[in-house]
Amino acid sequence: GNSVTQMEGPVTLSEEAFLTINCTYTATGYPSLFWYVQYPGEGLQLLLKATKADDKGSNKGFEATYRKETTSFHLEKGSVQVSDSAVYFCALSDDGANNLFFGTGTRLTVIP
Amino acid sequence: DVKVTQSSRYLVKRTGEKVFLECVQDMDHENMFWYRQDPGLGLRLIYFSYDVKMKEKGDIPEGYSVSREKKERFSLILESASTNQTSMYLCASRDRFLEQYFGPGTRLTVT
Repeated sequence: GNSVTQMEGPVTLSEEAFLTINCTYTATGYPSLFWYVQYPGEGLQLLLKATKADDKGSNKGFEATYRKETTSFHLEKGSVQVSDSAVYFCALSDDGANNLFFGTGTRLTVIP
Repeated sequence: DVKVTQSSRYLVKRTGEKVFLECVQDMDHENMFWYRQDPGLGLRLIYFSYDVKMKEKGDIPEGYSVSREKKERFSLILESASTNQTSMYLCASRDRFLEQYFGPGTRLTVT
């Protein structure tokens, strides 16, 4: 079946630190992979996506590479800001399914 | 920009009440979804709809029903609210590239 496992939080970093949030998946087909971000009091927003192996998604300084050999889609940012404080969700959409399968979310807090 | 709106940001209801949560999207998307979000559990799919009057159960449909009479509107109904349905409810619509667009959420408290 389809599932997503992501690193448990919470994660607390100082401003300008390097961020990695791990995400691994299992899927029956050829999934598309997504990172969504939820800022306090808001719904989820798409942060980045990758639709096939070796694709790199990027947005707002965040990056993630679709690694089929390790079934991973880890989120990285070289220098986090206080405004990056949010909950981050990894998700997959299998080509045979209508819905997204979400990880449990990782809360990131960036302190000045 | 795609916009998904939900009828209420916060809602407080009593046990046993019938509750309606409404969601409207303005991008003519065929697919719409209702999730609930709970700490440590992520998002879990309640129901989705792939067309007007069409619906499919998700992972946790018990205690819920849905209605899709118009393409832009997808309603979630709690027939008899219970305290274990206290949660954040998120609506989404999906484009043909599989990207989902979320509303701001409704935080429902059942007392």
